[in-house]
Amino acid sequence: SYVLTQPPSVSLAPGKTATITCGGNNIGTKNVHWYQEKPGQAPVLVVYDNSVRPSAIPERFSGSNSGNTATLTISRVEAGDEADYYCQVWDTSSDHWVFGGGTKVTVL
Amino acid sequence: QVQLVESGGGVVQPGRSLRLSCAASGFTFRNYGMHWVRQAPGKGLEWVAVISYDGNAKYYADSVKGRFTISRDNSKNTLSLQMNSLRSADTAVYFCAKDVTISCGGDCPPAYWGQGTLVTVSS
Repeated sequence: SYVLTQPPSVSLAPGKTATITCGGNNIGTKNVHWYQEKPGQAPVLVVYDNSVRPSAIPERFSGSNSGNTATLTISRVEAGDEADYYCQVWDTSSDHWVFGGGTKVTVL
Repeated sequence: QVQLVESGGGVVQPGRSLRLSCAASGFTFRNYGMHWVRQAPGKGLEWVAVISYDGNAKYYADSVKGRFTISRDNSKNTLSLQMNSLRSADTAVYFCAKDVTISCGGDCPPAYWGQGTLVTVSS
C-alpha cells in the first residue's frame, strides 16, 4: 500500500516560514491535498491539487509537489497557525485514500 | 452555508453493530461525493470510505472492508455508515465530509467536514 511520510513536528518563531514535507514514492505524479486540524475542531482543507487554495485560505499557505516530495509552505507564521497538518493522496493502484501521519506545527 | 451533522455514535460492545448518519444541508447533496474519515484518540486521520455523488462507486479502507457499508439517500440529503462486527480498534471520532467539487467518482478530496461523532467500542 502507498505510504506518505511526514515529520512529526516543526517548531518556529512567529514571522518565519514553515516548510512541511510529505514524502512518497513518485508523489510528484499524484495530486496532493493538505489539511489543518486544530484541537477540538474539524479538519480544514488548506491546499488541494498540489497548489490550489480554497477561497477562505490566506495566501500565506502554498503548496508544491515534485519527485518524491510534496511541500506545504506557510509564510509569515502566526500563533493561529499552530495545528496538526496532514497530507493526503488518492492511490489509483488500490483505489484508496491515504493520509500522512501528520505534522504538529508549534509557534514558539 | 454548508452544514454536515453526524449522529449515531455511542458506546457499543465488541462484535455489535452501529449505524452512523450525516445530515447535509446548504448545498446540492446529490452533486457531491461524500467521505467518512475517522480519528482514534490522540492519533492521526484515517480514511474509512468514500461514495461517489451518484452512489455508483464505493471504496473502503482495508481495515473496514467487509464490515462497514457506506450509503447515501439523495432524497433525504443523508449519508450513512453501517458498521458491523465492531472492534476496539474502531474506537474513534467519525467525520463525514463532502468533496471539494461536484460529480466526482470517489477521487476528489473532502473540502468540508462535520464536527464528528464519537464511537467507543468497549465491553
